[in-house]
This record gives sequence, C-alpha cells and structure tokens, in this order.
Amino acid sequence: QLQLQESGSGLVKPSQTLSLTCAVSGGSISSGGYSWSWIRQPPGKGLEWIGYIHHSGSTYYNPSLKSRATISLDRSKNQFSLKLTSVTDADTAVYYCASGKQWLLSPFDYWGQGTLVTVSS
Amino acid sequence: QSALTQPASVSGSPGQSITISCTGTSSDVGAYNYVSWYQQHPGKAPKLMIYEVSNRPSGVSNRFSGSKSGNTASLTISGLQAEDEADYYCSSYTTSSTQVFGGGTKLTVL
Repeated sequence: QLQLQESGSGLVKPSQTLSLTCAVSGGSISSGGYSWSWIRQPPGKGLEWIGYIHHSGSTYYNPSLKSRATISLDRSKNQFSLKLTSVTDADTAVYYCASGKQWLLSPFDYWGQGTLVTVSS
Repeated sequence: QSALTQPASVSGSPGQSITISCTGTSSDVGAYNYVSWYQQHPGKAPKLMIYEVSNRPSGVSNRFSGSKSGNTASLTISGLQAEDEADYYCSSYTTSSTQVFGGGTKLTVL
C-alpha cells in the first residue's frame, strides 16, 4: 500500500517559485508502470490536474499552466517534486500528490493528505 | 483543455438513488473508457470510487455504480446514506495524454 506525503513552502510571494516534494513509502518511484501526479484545489473550488511523471522521466502537463510547471523525480530519496514558477494569487491552493498504478491510463489510486500553499506578499 | 461539466449540486433522501452526470467531449469522456469518480469529504483528500467507467476498487460499496453513453458519464449512488454526503468529481483521460477533472458536484443527503 503506497503512502504519499507532501511537504514544502506554505507561503510563497507573488512572482516567485513554488516548490513542493512528495515522499513515497511502501513502494518505489522507479517501479515500472506507475504515474506520479500533482493535483491542486483552490479554496472552495474544484480539483485541477497539474501534471504527471513516469519513472522514465516522461512528463505531461496541463496546458493551462503555460509551461510554468515542472515535475521531477529524485530516485535516491524516493520522492518526486513540483516547481511552479511566476506564481500569482490564483495559485493559492491545497496541493495533492497522487499516484496511479498504470502510466497515463490509471486513475489516481493513492493520494497524499494535501498541503496548503498560500501566495501572498 | 476545458473542465468536464457536472451539476453543481444534487440532493436525495436516505434510501433513495441519485445520479450525477459528467459531460465531456469526443476528446476525453467520449474517446476512451478511462473515466473515474472521486468522493471528497470536507478537509480530506479525494477517494477513488469508480475507475474505467464502471469498476469499483476493493472496499468501495456496491451502492456506487458508473456508466457512460457517448460523451457523458454518470455516477449512481443507490440506497443513499448520510455518510455519502460529500463532493464528487469525475475525471477522464484525454486524447492529449493528459487528465481532466469535472467541476465537482455537492451531494446533500436530506
């Protein structure tokens, strides 16, 4: 049973870069087939998929983020990360990491508890 | 990509059945049978309830069922219980190899 735990800066200034990490336990991020995703939810609003990464390093992103998002793997620490550049108030949200058992096609089987990131000066 | 369309709210009495729709396009819901449904209680992470249109993960009640016709998927909850009160989200794989969520539906058990 995979367990995911988000960590990172809870307060980010406008125009700066948001950085979050998702620690994975109960399995290896290098395991074939899995997808490793980031999803966010602004306060009182719905879910928005940000992107996912495969153990090979292949990535796909939500086109609405206009190349501001980068997801990467750290195999030595069994974790994956999200960087979101040039943040604005609209990026204030609870950020979840999630995983799926099958690359691209899988639902989000496992979720972290979520971490609130506030963009404010 | 545009969010899938869900009703903002639905309601039902205990014991009744309700259905939540999720409308997309031929580039997402209509393209594949990779539609999922998630339940989210306040302050909690979403929980997978249905995957690949109509499959239930282990441990999910058989009161939850899913279906699809054309570009619209549906989640039906039968025998409504108080603990079913939550937000529900659909999601779909797309022809661009991305994922898209619906706007969410708030279920109220009267």
